[in-house]
Amino acid sequence: QVQLVESGGGLVKPGGSLRLSCAASGFTFSDYYMNWIRQAPGKGLEWVSYISRSGSTIYYADSVKGRFTISRDNAKNSLYLQMNSLRAEDTAVYYCASSSSSSLFRYWGQGTLVTVSS
Amino acid sequence: QSALTQPASVSGSPGQSITISCTGTSSDVGGYNYVSWYQQHPGKAPKLMIYDVSKRPSGVSNRFSGSKSGNTASLTISGLQAEDEADYYCSSYTTSSTWVFGGGTKLTVL
Repeated sequence: QVQLVESGGGLVKPGGSLRLSCAASGFTFSDYYMNWIRQAPGKGLEWVSYISRSGSTIYYADSVKGRFTISRDNAKNSLYLQMNSLRAEDTAVYYCASSSSSSLFRYWGQGTLVTVSS
Repeated sequence: QSALTQPASVSGSPGQSITISCTGTSSDVGGYNYVSWYQQHPGKAPKLMIYDVSKRPSGVSNRFSGSKSGNTASLTISGLQAEDEADYYCSSYTTSSTWVFGGGTKLTVL
């Protein structure tokens, strides 16, 4: 079955960097659109970034544009999120989500917690 | 991009029907048939319940249905069950080639 497993979260100081990974299995990764979505503690969902199946099309939320970089390695069935210049407001559980259609988020991982604090 | 507007909470008794609204603008909900709904139980990842306004993924109960009128989408749950108690989020594609979520609605089954 479809499985998405995020990793790489942790505690980082403001201004620091972190790289999240999402390992996919149970489906043909290169056929699926991928997204990162986050949820601050006790808050709602916030879409962060999208990458097309080939990686040629990428979008970001204004709140992370210029600081975060999404990428994927179809040979390794993996999705990444490089997060630089982290701020306290980036503290959240980060989920990767996949779908064979770009208009929805069909499958979700369990999330990885990123805490930005001094 | 502003979040879509959802009621903070709704409630209903077992067996009843409830509807959760999701209001956006012509730049998101009103402009595309790409509204989806997600259910999230505490401490769990969200689960897709409705996509493209009114389509149900395989495995989702037909007690869940979706619709849209103008800039407002709606999720209706009929025959409420205890396990439906959760947070519900709507989402829409936008003209900025981004996605926006609603603030979430806490459903309480009385």
